[in-house]
Amino acid sequence: GAVVSQHPSWVICKSGTSVKIECRSLDFQATTMFWYRQFPKQSLMLMATSNEGSKATYEQGVEKDKFLINHASLTLSTLTVTSAHPEDSSFYICSGVGLRVQYFGPGTRLTVL
Amino acid sequence: AQSVTQLGSHVSVSEGALVLLRCNYSSSVPPYLFWYVQYPNQGLQLLLKYTSAATLVKGINGFEAEFKKSETSFHLTKPSAHMSDAAEYFCAVISPLGGYQKVTFGTGTKLQVIP
Repeated sequence: GAVVSQHPSWVICKSGTSVKIECRSLDFQATTMFWYRQFPKQSLMLMATSNEGSKATYEQGVEKDKFLINHASLTLSTLTVTSAHPEDSSFYICSGVGLRVQYFGPGTRLTVL
Repeated sequence: AQSVTQLGSHVSVSEGALVLLRCNYSSSVPPYLFWYVQYPNQGLQLLLKYTSAATLVKGINGFEAEFKKSETSFHLTKPSAHMSDAAEYFCAVISPLGGYQKVTFGTGTKLQVIP
C-alpha cells in the first residue's frame, strides 16, 4: 500500500515554543491531506483538511492561528503548533488520500513541558 | 451526516477463538467503510475496505468483514485469534464531501488476546 511518513516521530518542547510536524506521501501524490489529533485512549479527531495550494479547512473548535497548516506540494503538508502549551500534548497523525483510501502516517507524539 | 458506532470499547478473546468486533454505520449516501488497526504508539494501518463491490471483504492478517445494508453493519471477524492481533481497531465511514473525502472514525475497540 501507499506510504505516508511523519517527522519527527517524537518531540518534547517547552511551553511557549512552536513545533513543526511534517507529513509526506512517499509514493503517491496527495492533493488532500488530513490532520488528526488523538488523546490517550480516545479515537482520532479530525483537526483540519489540507488541500494542496489552498488554505486548510479547520474543524469546529480548532484554532487556525494556533495550528498552522501548509500544503505547499502534492507530497508534503506541515502542521505547526504555535506557542504550544501542555494541553496541546497529544498524538498527531496525518493522512493522505490516494485512490479514495486514506493512508496514515505513523504519528508524532508531542509532549509540551 | 455520517457516523459509526463501535459496540464494546474492550473485547477479550482467548488465543485461537473467534474474533468479532462490531460496527454499525449511519450514512445518508452509500458509504465506503473501513477497518483500521492501531498498535501502541503507531499510526493506523488499513485492514480492509468496502467500496460498493463485494459485500464480503477480505483483508490482511486473516480478517474479513461483511457489509450488511439491511442491518447497517460492517462487523470485523477473524476465525482464530493470534496474540499479535492484540491492538486497537477502528471502524470508519467515508463519503464524498465537497470534492474530497472526510472520514468519520468510531471510538475504537481494544482487542485483548488471552493466551
